[in-house]
Amino acid sequence: GAGVSQSPSNKVTEKGKDVELRCDPISGHTALYWYRQSLGQGLEFLIYFQGNSAPDKSGLPSDRFSAERTGGSVSTLTIQRTQQEDSAVYLCASSSTGMTYNEQFFGPGTRLTVL
Amino acid sequence: GQQVMQIPQYQHVQEGEDFTTYCNSSTTLSNIQWYKQRPGGHPVFLIQLVKSGEVKKQKRLTFQFGEAKKNSSLHITATQTTDVGTYFCAGGMDSSYKLIFGSGTRLLVRP
Repeated sequence: GAGVSQSPSNKVTEKGKDVELRCDPISGHTALYWYRQSLGQGLEFLIYFQGNSAPDKSGLPSDRFSAERTGGSVSTLTIQRTQQEDSAVYLCASSSTGMTYNEQFFGPGTRLTVL
Repeated sequence: GQQVMQIPQYQHVQEGEDFTTYCNSSTTLSNIQWYKQRPGGHPVFLIQLVKSGEVKKQKRLTFQFGEAKKNSSLHITATQTTDVGTYFCAGGMDSSYKLIFGSGTRLLVRP
């Protein structure tokens, strides 16, 4: 079956503009995670969804970041008034349930560049 | 908060040499997973360890989970150029949904 997909693959925007990043998880996976990876760095947890609910938003860097998930499937990460420090690769991952024993399947990521 | 430290940050080896990366957690883990990220790619699951003292092998890769379930290691025997990438450990805790990722070890292999 299809893996996790993300769009766009690359996004270049100007400082101050809003951007939307999309994630299509594996069908049937109830858990969805967003991470941020700066160049050569590790994975920074942003937010976790179980179904359409986000019980943990603790990793969102500021109130300019928000995310939603609809129909227990597609998720959108929105960054308002982008700043240059927002430049990074944004990775989405899904797993069959929200337990840590489940493997996380990652999408290819969206590379965001803020000029 | 919970942290998973991973060392070294970076290692450059000659093809055929061995390689090891280590993870240490500040708290006892219920499980630990290992992921590999090729250059320009995304993390891909390699393996999971659950039991205290567990050792698992995948061809030239050997994974260990410490007796106290607070540390883990990945050892690659006789590295090949195909082993190039960043290796991440990720620790989980019971009743949690979140994996705490280590900072990764980037492996470069000289042919």
